[in-house]
Amino acid sequence: KAGVTQTPRYLIKTRGQQVTLSCSPISGHRSVSWYQQTPGQGLQFLFEYFSETQRNKGNFPGRFSGRQFSNSRSEMNVSTLELGDSALYLCASSLTGGTGAYEQYFGPGTRLTVT
Amino acid sequence: QQQVKQSPQSLIVQKGGISIINCAYENTAFDYFPWYQQFPGKGPALLIAIRPDVSEKKEGRFTISFNKSAKQFSLHIMDSQPGDSATYFCAASSRTSGSARQLTFGSGTQLTVLP
Repeated sequence: KAGVTQTPRYLIKTRGQQVTLSCSPISGHRSVSWYQQTPGQGLQFLFEYFSETQRNKGNFPGRFSGRQFSNSRSEMNVSTLELGDSALYLCASSLTGGTGAYEQYFGPGTRLTVT
Repeated sequence: QQQVKQSPQSLIVQKGGISIINCAYENTAFDYFPWYQQFPGKGPALLIAIRPDVSEKKEGRFTISFNKSAKQFSLHIMDSQPGDSATYFCAASSRTSGSARQLTFGSGTQLTVLP
């Protein structure tokens, strides 16, 4: 079974621009979560989508948004990029996320650099 | 209350030695505790996980010890190998609202196993 895939793997953007990252979960997984990873703040939860609905949201400004499609693929968007948005953005998928064990499987991430 | 505190920040172990990484939490709503291993340029990979009704779980050279009363859990890597050199994250999961769940990560431990 193929793992979680994320595109693009690397991205360089300029301050003020916007960016869209894509994530394809493991086949059959319906929950997709997004995380931001930086050396200073570690792994921070952005939001989770399940059946095309945002089910959970972390403490990030409204510039960070996402969506999920009917095939469970997800995108996240960051508008008006700031230098501090430079990070590794990770996507993780799980079967449902709501019951008992909560095994999340991560993709390789998208390395975003904002200049 | 959502924090998971991880120590040490870095760890150097000789090949064949035991690596021990500790985590502590305060939120008693956490009910699932996974450990992730991350190599440079890769996303975190689920290593082993435990539920609070179990005090120990072993998978190969990796063991989780869980102390519910102390709200602490630890990862032991027996017979550490240079290939184990990576960053290790502990995490804790809790139900947030409805069927939504959220993973909270520790700050990570950079393990170096010397040949």
